[in-house]
Amino acid sequence: AQSVTQLDSQVPVFEEAPVELRCNYSSSVSVYLFWYVQYPNQGLQLLLKYLSGSTLVKGINGFEAEFNKSQTSFHLRKPSVHISDTAEYFCAVNLDTSYGKLTFGQGTILTVHP
Amino acid sequence: KAGVTQTPRYLIKTRGQQVTLSCSPISGHRSVSWYQQTPGQGLQFLFEYFSETQRNKGNFPGRFSGRQFSNSRSEMNVSTLELGDSALYLCASSLRSGGSRSYNEQFFGPGTRLTVL
Repeated sequence: AQSVTQLDSQVPVFEEAPVELRCNYSSSVSVYLFWYVQYPNQGLQLLLKYLSGSTLVKGINGFEAEFNKSQTSFHLRKPSVHISDTAEYFCAVNLDTSYGKLTFGQGTILTVHP
Repeated sequence: KAGVTQTPRYLIKTRGQQVTLSCSPISGHRSVSWYQQTPGQGLQFLFEYFSETQRNKGNFPGRFSGRQFSNSRSEMNVSTLELGDSALYLCASSLRSGGSRSYNEQFFGPGTRLTVL
């Protein structure tokens, strides 16, 4: 069975500083990888996805992530954060044999301070 | 194009009652997945429906059930509610356009917040 570990439950950072949110997964088969963001009292919004091809993927709002197969990681980065990036971020995986089922990490609360 | 809609947005029930939540997918999307979100357990997959058939199921008791209609709208039902069923229930839709190696991303609705007293 696959699992997803988000290594930091909370990440505080100052505005305009860079940030990295870490995600590791375990799976014995090929996976698709995702990062979602959740603002208070809202559903999940897809930031970016890795399905195949280039290991560096770019998403919305200036976020990017790098898929590292040897380290089974999919860390999310942003070079300069804004106050509006304050939210909870979820890493998720999907097995190519189990369509429709996402397995999520526990989430990382990103707080951007002025 | 309208997003995924869920009704109702908020529900308060008492233990032992049952509840039905509704999800309308994005037009043209044929797959609907349901998730439960709680502070303790995080986001957990409940089940996925495609072409009116349950295709995948998570590790939840039989009190949790669902169905999908011919227009792809889906409902989930929880019977004999327990305090621990208090959660945000999210549904997500995707195209599921076919092909063993194809994948279509999931779009989430705003959720239904269920409180069990």
